[in-house]
Formats: sequence, C-alpha cells, structure tokens
Amino acid sequence: DAGVIQSPRHEVTEMGQEVTLRCKPISGHDYLFWYRQTMMRGLELLIYFNNNVPIDDSGMPEDRFSAKMPNASFSTLKIQPSEPRDSAVYFCASSLQAGGSNNEQFFGPGTRLTVL
Amino acid sequence: DAKTTQPNSMESNEEEPVHLPCNHSTISGTDYIHWYRQLPSQGPEYVIHGLTSNVNNRMASLAIAEDRKSSTLILHRATLRDAAVYYCILRDWDDNTDKLIFGTGTRLQVFP
Repeated sequence: DAGVIQSPRHEVTEMGQEVTLRCKPISGHDYLFWYRQTMMRGLELLIYFNNNVPIDDSGMPEDRFSAKMPNASFSTLKIQPSEPRDSAVYFCASSLQAGGSNNEQFFGPGTRLTVL
Repeated sequence: DAKTTQPNSMESNEEEPVHLPCNHSTISGTDYIHWYRQLPSQGPEYVIHGLTSNVNNRMASLAIAEDRKSSTLILHRATLRDAAVYYCILRDWDDNTDKLIFGTGTRLQVFP
C-alpha cells in the first residue's frame, strides 16, 4: 500500500482565495483525520470521520473551514476564504478502527499551505 | 484527557542509548501510553504503546513505572535518523473516539 496520500504537497495562495486540500486514506481504514500543525499551536485535530461520516468537528477553527468525505477513498478539507493565519502544515491520517489497545494512526506527508 | 509532561529537548550521541521520559501523574486505569515521533518534514509515525508491562519492538522499548505515573521510551542505539520530536500520548482504551491529543513533545538531537 502506498500509505496515506495527500495533495498538493505545497500550496501558495493569496488571501481570500479558496483552498482545497485532498487526502486518500489507506484502503480498508474506517477512520480519517485532519490535523493542522503550526509553530504556535503544535499539532491540532480538526475533524475526523468514521465510515465517511463526520464524528467530531470541534477542532475546526471557524466556518471558513469545511471537510467532506464523499467516499471511503477520498476526503477534502476546504478553506474559503483563506487568510494568512491559516498558513500551516495540514496532515491527513487514517486508522483501521477506534478504541481498543492500539488503533495506530498512519499519517500522510502533509500539505504545506502558505497564504499571502 | 489525562495530560503528559515531557522535556522540551534532549541530546544524544550516535550509537548511545537514549531515555526519553514522560510524566503522566493523572493517568487512569484504562489509559494506554502511546508514543509517536515526527521526523523532520514528515507526518508523525507510531513508535510503541503499552499499558502496564514493559514493551519491546523493533524500533524501541517502553518502560512503564509500577504506579504508571511515568514512562520512558528507550532507543537502544541512537542513529542520526532518530532525530525527531517524540510525543507521549495517553489514550483511553475504552474511548471509542480514536482521538490523538498531541502535546509539545521532546525534540531529540543526535550528534555524530
């Protein structure tokens, strides 16, 4: 398996523009997570899905952020309109199951977003 | 979620053992101790986890105190590739949410 795939790897955009980040989880994984990492706040969980259904979006910073998972192999994180403070590295991760002793999360390489 | 406390940074020389400590004095009986690490410019990756007994795998060992209020991740022979930020995370096995709450971690520097 190729692991979790994210695209693009780098995105530079101007304030006010719409940004769409994409993620393909590992095949067979039921859970998908979106994280954001900044120097100031570290790694934060934004939202996660179980079987394509959003379970917890309490980490989504504001209404400008939205996430969808139309099928088991694809998810998007959209920012509209983008602002300079959204500049960060966005990670997608997937896992096989929840609960139990170990539900290892596999992370993608991240998308580095710069909003000018 | 129960919280963990780790030193901000540690240093090691190549091929020496490294002991990365983690304090979790408010750990509950159903919390597993998980370790992830993040290599430069990469996403985090799983290292090891345990509940009460010490654990070994190909990457590292995890030593858990008898009262479970602290644990130590042991890298037996550090390599330059082990330079990363190491995160100690508590996860409730009875929690069906699968959330990972990352702290600030320990940045490990390895010198040749």
